[in-house]
Parts: sequence; C-alpha cells; structure tokens
Amino acid sequence: DVKVTQSSRYLVKRTGEKVFLECVQDMDHENMFWYRQDPGLGLRLIYFSYDVKMKEKGDIPEGYSVSREKKERFSLILESASTNQTSMYLCASRPSNQPQHFGDGTRLSIL
Amino acid sequence: QKEVEQNSGPLSVPEGAIASLNCTYSDRGSQSFFWYRQYSGKSPELIMSIYSNGDKEDGRFTAQLNKASQYVSLLIRDSQPSDSATYLCAGEMYSGGGADGLTFGKGTHLIIQP
Repeated sequence: DVKVTQSSRYLVKRTGEKVFLECVQDMDHENMFWYRQDPGLGLRLIYFSYDVKMKEKGDIPEGYSVSREKKERFSLILESASTNQTSMYLCASRPSNQPQHFGDGTRLSIL
Repeated sequence: QKEVEQNSGPLSVPEGAIASLNCTYSDRGSQSFFWYRQYSGKSPELIMSIYSNGDKEDGRFTAQLNKASQYVSLLIRDSQPSDSATYLCAGEMYSGGGADGLTFGKGTHLIIQP
C-alpha cells in the first residue's frame, strides 16, 4: 500500500512565524503535491514537484514555497504565516501513470 | 481557467438504491479523471479512475466518461449507509514533466438513508 506521511495532524502557529509542513512517501514516487482544503472552496493545488530539486507553482502559490531535496520528502513552507493560511493541508504523491494518494492531512491554525 | 463543477447536494438516496453523481469540466486538455470519497475530518480516498471514453466498473462503482460532452459520472449501486460521504471529482492534465496536479470540484455530499 502507498504510504504518504504528514508530520503533524494538528499544528498551531502565530502570525509572522515561518512554518514547515513535512510530507514523506515510501514508494519512490516521482510526483508529489501540496493542496489546501477550505470550506466552500474545495481542494486547491499550491505547489507540485516532478522530481528531486524540481518544483512548479500550482493555482495558489502566493505566500508559500516548497523544498524537495530528497525524492521521498516534499516540504511546504509558509514564509510568514498569516491568518488566511489557516486551513487543512494535504500532501499527495504518485508514480508515473498512477493516481494520486493522499496523506492524512495537517490541520493548521494561525493565531 | 481549469474548472470542475459538481452539484454540492446534499443528494439523499435510499439504502439499496443507485446513487448517481455527476461532474462537468471546462478544460479539454484534461486527460484523466478521478473520483475520491472523503469522510468528514478525513483525507480523500481514491474510489475510481477513468482515462478513456466509456464505462469502467469496479464492484459496486461505475465511472463514466464522455470527453465530447466534458462529462464524468459515478454510479454507486446497492448504496449502503457507509457510502455517506462527500464525493470529489477531479481532472488531471499532463505536461512534459509529468502530472500537473488535480483540479477538484467542490464535492457532492451524499446521504444514504437507511
């Protein structure tokens, strides 16, 4: 089974903090993704990566950056957290020509 | 602008009946389509994937794709109370580097009435 692990289920941070959300997959997948999910807005793509050291902007990249130094790990970074970044964050990965599988999600609150 | 549209519901279906969920998409470049089920407070779980026109069946689930009409559907036969969840339709495009990420609809809330 595909295993996508997000480091925290719940996280509370302060405005202005630099926040790191970590995602690890154990299946040697090339593609990894970060989404956020908000009531009434659904799931929206923030950033994605085709492979190590590669990153591409999704639909809502503003205020975020990513890092992929190793194939199994894809980190989402909130450079200076703001209250409008309070959300559920979902990481997904997939091998070539297969569907995406999601981690359990991180519910992030910015106070 | 890539868009995937779903009726938000709630869609209420008696237990044992067929639940029919529909989805339309705007971008003809979308090549693959997926249905995810999401229970409250949980992450999305893949139910079906479909890549070409026609029907694809897996157990009680049938996905249908019509690229000419830009329409995707999911049928759930013999609906069970455990099928009560939000169903997310998603489309995916590909570029030279690989998969470009999913564009999701906002989901249809399905309620199976015992």
